[in-house]
Amino acid sequence: SQQGEEDPQALSIQEGENATMNCSYKTSINNLQWYRQNSGRGLVHLILIRSNEREKHSGRLRVTLDTSKKSSSLLITASRAADTASYFCPNNAGNMLTFGGGTRLMVKP
Amino acid sequence: GAVVSQHPSWVICKSGTSVKIECRSLDFQATTMFWYRQFPKQSLMLMATSNEGSKATYEQGVEKDKFLINHASLTLSTLTVTSAHPEDSSFYICSARLYNYGYTFGSGTRLTVV
Repeated sequence: SQQGEEDPQALSIQEGENATMNCSYKTSINNLQWYRQNSGRGLVHLILIRSNEREKHSGRLRVTLDTSKKSSSLLITASRAADTASYFCPNNAGNMLTFGGGTRLMVKP
Repeated sequence: GAVVSQHPSWVICKSGTSVKIECRSLDFQATTMFWYRQFPKQSLMLMATSNEGSKATYEQGVEKDKFLINHASLTLSTLTVTSAHPEDSSFYICSARLYNYGYTFGSGTRLTVV
């Protein structure tokens, strides 16, 4: 499979805590993107990290990339109930995205 | 930012009828659009890639005669579910690639076939 694989499949935390989710991929990449999907909605692009970058920040989001391990992590700091959603890091190869199962994050108020 | 507008957001239709879903790129030209299907609590599965002015490329297991894709202009791609059946009930999402930045997604269409 060439899809990105997110881990854990599900994560439940309290509001204010940090949430960390991981992603592994199999093919070589030019960049890796994280997306969020609220239940029954479309996907929202969160952040893109290029293969020559190791870490990137955007607001409360911090993404790391380790190309030697073919893995990435997404950290959401000071989580809010509104962060409850599924998070995906689809494999970006051949000019298309293929999706894994995602991480379902629940942030309890 | 680049937006893909997808309509309708939800539709209920009778078994045997056809349903058309539209995706429009509002402020950019989308030479390629992607159509995904998502069943409840599952991931997005790529159905087909549509290229403006040419035939769509379907993923294995997706019936091209059932899921008709038209991409006649640089700003509009349509997916028509023909002779819909209850098992076609799903969440359909379109996406367009933004060069050097990633992809933008429509808001999805919830199809319920009764």
